[in-house]
Amino acid sequence: DAGVIQSPRHEVTEMGQEVTLRCKPISGHNSLFWYRQTMMRGLELLIYFNNNVPIDDSGMPEDRFSAKMPNASFSTLKIQPSEPRDSAVYFCASSFGQGRETQYFGPGTRLLVL
Amino acid sequence: AQTVTQSQPEMSVQEAETVTLSCTYDTSENNYYLFWYKQPPSRQMILVIRQEAYKQQNATENRFSVNFQKAAKSFSLKISDSQLGDTAMYFCAFMKHEGYSTLTFGKGTMLLVSP
Repeated sequence: DAGVIQSPRHEVTEMGQEVTLRCKPISGHNSLFWYRQTMMRGLELLIYFNNNVPIDDSGMPEDRFSAKMPNASFSTLKIQPSEPRDSAVYFCASSFGQGRETQYFGPGTRLLVL
Repeated sequence: AQTVTQSQPEMSVQEAETVTLSCTYDTSENNYYLFWYKQPPSRQMILVIRQEAYKQQNATENRFSVNFQKAAKSFSLKISDSQLGDTAMYFCAFMKHEGYSTLTFGKGTMLLVSP
């Protein structure tokens, strides 16, 4: 079975540009999570979807960040405009149920904003 | 709100030895789940072990086992017969049982296994 798929794996962009990160959860999983990992703040939850509906977006840093889940097999995290402080590794994870089951992580997207 | 504390930023162990990583947490919940995830240099987050708080028996997965002390809110990970491939960052994480639930992670412990 394929795990969580993320693309791109690496992204280098210039400040002010729009960045779109993509995630395909494990088939059958109905909970999807976006995390950000930095040295300073560790792993932080950005947003959590259940059955394609955003349940908790309290971790989204500011209006520059937005996330969508148009269907059960695809989600995007968009940053517009990007800033150097957005540089981090962004992980997508999925699980079954209301999030109480084990979360399985994708390989992450390493974002560098110059 | 829940907090997870890993007090050991770095640890070292020699191959074939045993090492224990510490984790404490703070919660007012009675029912919850605890996890250890491993992040090797590839950055992939890999589940190592999971413990349900209502189970008294400590979880084990091959060379990995936990010491779960609910009253003390402690959840340590023991790695037996350490292997070079165990070199990674290890994260302890907490999840509530009730309602929609997400993971709260500790800051991590970097484990280096040397020959």
